[in-house]
Amino acid sequence: KQEVTQIPAALSVPEGENLVLNCSFTDSAIYNLQWFRQDPGKGLTSLLLIQSSQREQTSGRLNASLDKSSGRSTLYIAASQPGDSATYLCAVFSTGNQFYFGTGTSLTVIP
Amino acid sequence: DVKVTQSSRYLVKRTGEKVFLECVQDMDHENMFWYRQDPGLGLRLIYFSYDVKMKEKGDIPEGYSVSREKKERFSLILESASTNQTSMYLCASSDGTGAEKLFFGSGTQLSVL
Repeated sequence: KQEVTQIPAALSVPEGENLVLNCSFTDSAIYNLQWFRQDPGKGLTSLLLIQSSQREQTSGRLNASLDKSSGRSTLYIAASQPGDSATYLCAVFSTGNQFYFGTGTSLTVIP
Repeated sequence: DVKVTQSSRYLVKRTGEKVFLECVQDMDHENMFWYRQDPGLGLRLIYFSYDVKMKEKGDIPEGYSVSREKKERFSLILESASTNQTSMYLCASSDGTGAEKLFFGSGTQLSVL
């Protein structure tokens, strides 16, 4: 069964810093990988979707990369802001038409 | 814009009550999902549906049932609520084309007393 891991579980950085969040998965047979943001007590908001044939996707200050062969994805956030504080989750869409989620990285950006 | 709507943000129910959680999507999506999210356990799949009147059990279906009478609506039913069903419930949908971008509702925080 696919397992998705996100390390670290929590991260605290000063405002303005560039940062990288990590996501790893055990089975490289994925169709896509999606990054989400979740604010406390709210649902998940999609940030970026990378199809299995793609290497990266960019949206504003966010850049997500995918290396299927090594089972890894990174979410790069440039020039972090306090409003970026949230939990970030990754999910892979994998064989069996199932989505598998990591448990998330809780990000705090300190003003 | 794409929208998945969950009928309640917060619900408080008594043990033994029958509870209905409603989810509606306006994107003509084929696939709909119900997850629960608990601290330290992440998202766990309860039930999903790939078509009207079709349902499949997820990882933790015990104590739950679902209904999908119309394509846009997917309901989660707690037949007899118990305190261990206190959780955040999240509904999601995807288009079923293979691109499978997942869209979530805003969640329902259910407390069973």
